[in-house]
Amino acid sequence: SQQGEEDPQALSIQEGENATMNCSYKTSINNLQWYRQNSGRGLVHLILIRSNEREKHSGRLRVTLDTSKKSSSLLITASRAADTASYFCATDVTGANSKLTFGKGITLSVRP
Amino acid sequence: DTEVTQTPKHLVMGMTNKKSLKCEQHMGHRAMYWYKQKAKKPPELMFVYSYEKLSINESVPSRFSPECPNSSLLNLHLHALQPEDSALYLCASSLWDRDGNEQFFGPGTRLTVL
Repeated sequence: SQQGEEDPQALSIQEGENATMNCSYKTSINNLQWYRQNSGRGLVHLILIRSNEREKHSGRLRVTLDTSKKSSSLLITASRAADTASYFCATDVTGANSKLTFGKGITLSVRP
Repeated sequence: DTEVTQTPKHLVMGMTNKKSLKCEQHMGHRAMYWYKQKAKKPPELMFVYSYEKLSINESVPSRFSPECPNSSLLNLHLHALQPEDSALYLCASSLWDRDGNEQFFGPGTRLTVL
């Protein structure tokens, strides 16, 4: 069963707007990761946040983690048409085994 | 080289065929993974290898047989598959330490079982 659940399921925004995606999970984690997948292709790692971290930034990406609420958010600022993709959160409960459990994913469409 | 390569890109096979999927990385990663992804679904973990040894098998049917000949190569041998096994098969690799690490994914093999 999936550990992570993202919302919304689908998001459509205008280029230049910010996109916020949320992920909730059920059990304690070692880290939480966000991945992007363009249609029918492999996944690309975006950012990893560890259980003892609350916020991380990478370029136009900002990730937060609230372990008390078992939730994370991914913010993409100043979105571009090229950001159109599916986004997955993935939880790693064990660390050493790097066994990722993916959420259902969010489909983001950025209109030019 | 920060790339994971997978061959073939596409594969069509009958239920009685035997075929193999191949995955290669030259990043020095000692963990390699096979995932299965159905359309509009998230990837599902199948197998994990660490230091060329199978460390996780997610109760995958025996018609899927993984093999890790060396630290750079990962194979998935397929035999007597069912049409419901049609999916995108993704290979990934990562460092292996207790902190957990990002995984690098290949582009996948699109498998169709007739």
